[in-house]
Amino acid sequence: QVQLVQSGAELKNPGASVKVSCKASGYTFTSYTMHWVRQAPGQRLEWMGWINAGNGDTRFSQKFQTRITITRDTSATTVYMELSSLRSEDTAVYYCARDLGRVELVADYWGQGTLVTVSS
Amino acid sequence: DIQMTQSPSSLSASVGDRVTITCRASQTIGSYLHWYQQKPGKAPKFLIYAASSLQSGVPSRFSGSGSGTVFTLTISSLQPEDFATYYCQQSYNTPLTFGGGTKVEIK
Repeated sequence: QVQLVQSGAELKNPGASVKVSCKASGYTFTSYTMHWVRQAPGQRLEWMGWINAGNGDTRFSQKFQTRITITRDTSATTVYMELSSLRSEDTAVYYCARDLGRVELVADYWGQGTLVTVSS
Repeated sequence: DIQMTQSPSSLSASVGDRVTITCRASQTIGSYLHWYQQKPGKAPKFLIYAASSLQSGVPSRFSGSGSGTVFTLTISSLQPEDFATYYCQQSYNTPLTFGGGTKVEIK
């Protein structure tokens, strides 16, 4: 069965960076795109970007373009999302979510979420 | 960016009720509209693809319809496990955007 297991909660100071991992199993890793979506407390879901796990191509929301990096390690079947220059508004639960296909732009399986708290 | 607006933002209903949630897009998006269910402290669960295609394993009491700019999610007979927040999402273009959510609460 498809499983996405994310790394644990993080507490970061403003200005720091955070790197969240998403370990995938139960399917052919390189055949699907992975999205990153975040949800601030009480807010709607917000799409950040995706990576084609096969060829490594990425696409980001313009809102995060200058601060986000998404990479993958095919041997470890793991996707990483790094967000830099953190500010308090980045406090949120961050989810990885598998695309329905290559690039269908809809997510059928989600990780459990990683809480990132930005506070001094 | 395409703005997605859901109504109502919350509703109270009883078990067995028929519930309808509306999602409106700021521009036409064809059928590139999908629905998710989220329970407190949990990740979203994928319900409906391309406006009306039920995902495998989703109960048939859920249905979706619409195209263009107006879409609906209907629960024909609300069950206790359906109390949750529902989100629509467009995939017509990037950035992918979500509605503000509709919280379905117990009356």
